[in-house]
Amino acid sequence: QQQVKQSPQSLIVQKGGISIINCAYENTAFDYFPWYQQFPGKGPALLIAIRPDVSEKKEGRFTISFNKSAKQFSLHIMDSQPGDSATYFCAALGYNAGNMLTFGGGTRLMVKP
Amino acid sequence: DTGVSQDPRHKITKRGQNVTFRCDPISEHNRLYWYRQTLGQGPEFLTYFQNEAQLEKSRLLSDRFSAERPKGSFSTLEIQRTEQGDSAMYLCASNARDRGETQYFGPGTRLLVL
Repeated sequence: QQQVKQSPQSLIVQKGGISIINCAYENTAFDYFPWYQQFPGKGPALLIAIRPDVSEKKEGRFTISFNKSAKQFSLHIMDSQPGDSATYFCAALGYNAGNMLTFGGGTRLMVKP
Repeated sequence: DTGVSQDPRHKITKRGQNVTFRCDPISEHNRLYWYRQTLGQGPEFLTYFQNEAQLEKSRLLSDRFSAERPKGSFSTLEIQRTEQGDSAMYLCASNARDRGETQYFGPGTRLLVL
């Protein structure tokens, strides 16, 4: 059962544009929602994370929007740069559900110069 | 401290052979996690340790897989009688129970079973 669904699978954005990646979850026990960035041949690196008691969190060009009632959250990358080209994974974790991360399927982002 | 390290980075083996991977977590991180990532997919949880105790195991962890963390520091993941379906990236992550939720990942070990 895929508990975290991510879309789109791939995304092409022009330099300076906004990249938007969406995720939906099913398990209401989840209470921590991170986004990871992964470059080829590397392990995932934490980008930004949110807890369900806030609806939005911004760090630099990266913003998470969270909708608890809809069980959805999204990543917005403002002023997208070619260096942002990577695979992005949303994830979810429940402190009372084992502390393991459940990942979405990933979005391959390409930012064209 | 240079982060989570994993060894080897790449491993090619023949079907039926045993392989062992090592993970060294960030110093003083008492939690250590193993994940598996197949091509084009997100990582999937395998197991995790708090200190030397293995607290959780996924149903993905068949009886051919065994993980240890004998002294609560580094961990090993062994796969016995490898199958072609075991080909994947094996990722290790760590965090400290009292320092937040962020799991820091290592570079992974890429396994290819021929």
